[in-house]
Amino acid sequence: DAKTTQPPSMDCAEGRAANLPCNHSTISGNEYVYWYRQIHSQGPQYIIHGLKNNETNEMASLIITEDRKSSTLILPHATLRDTAVYYCIVRVAQGNTPLVFGKGTRLSVIA
Amino acid sequence: DAGVTQSPTHLIKTRGQQVTLRCSPKSGHDTVSWYQQALGQGPQFIFQYYEEEERQRGNFPDRFSGHQFPNYSSELNVNALLLGDSALYLCASSLVAAPGNTIYFGEGSWLTVV
Repeated sequence: DAKTTQPPSMDCAEGRAANLPCNHSTISGNEYVYWYRQIHSQGPQYIIHGLKNNETNEMASLIITEDRKSSTLILPHATLRDTAVYYCIVRVAQGNTPLVFGKGTRLSVIA
Repeated sequence: DAGVTQSPTHLIKTRGQQVTLRCSPKSGHDTVSWYQQALGQGPQFIFQYYEEEERQRGNFPDRFSGHQFPNYSSELNVNALLLGDSALYLCASSLVAAPGNTIYFGEGSWLTVV
């Protein structure tokens, strides 16, 4: 079973920041937080991952709380192409550990 | 573009038939995993191949089998197809020694069983 809880859906206005929350209260010390997204009928796309420090790349920022029990994925300027299902996954980042997907958050970016 | 390629992209099979799906991993990757995604659900882990051996397996019957070749490419075979096997089959690859061990997915193969 997935170890994360996400809201089933969210809306965001185009050009605004999209903030997607994720709860992972049972995360272990050696587990990272990974984010993927899946645009309709395509394979999941890796976005970002982190352990305890905030992370940023060209796609998004990941903010992890100090107690590591929750995190937020931030898309700074959402576009219509960011409409997708976003999955938050906790996983040990070694040993080829498989991904365990939950139901994710369906983000709709509205013009 | 993640670099994982799958074939075919779409196929239709009849109940009881067998199907083979193929996957080439991202360049430099040594591990291939397969996932099944039913309509409206998140992907479910089927199994993983590393060094040409099945290393981990999810909760799938032995009708689902696979293979990894010396060039790291992989096949997923499903025997005695059931209507419930209709799904998007995703191949994913990773490099076991890479920091973060990030997993990358292909675009998937849509299987319809009629």
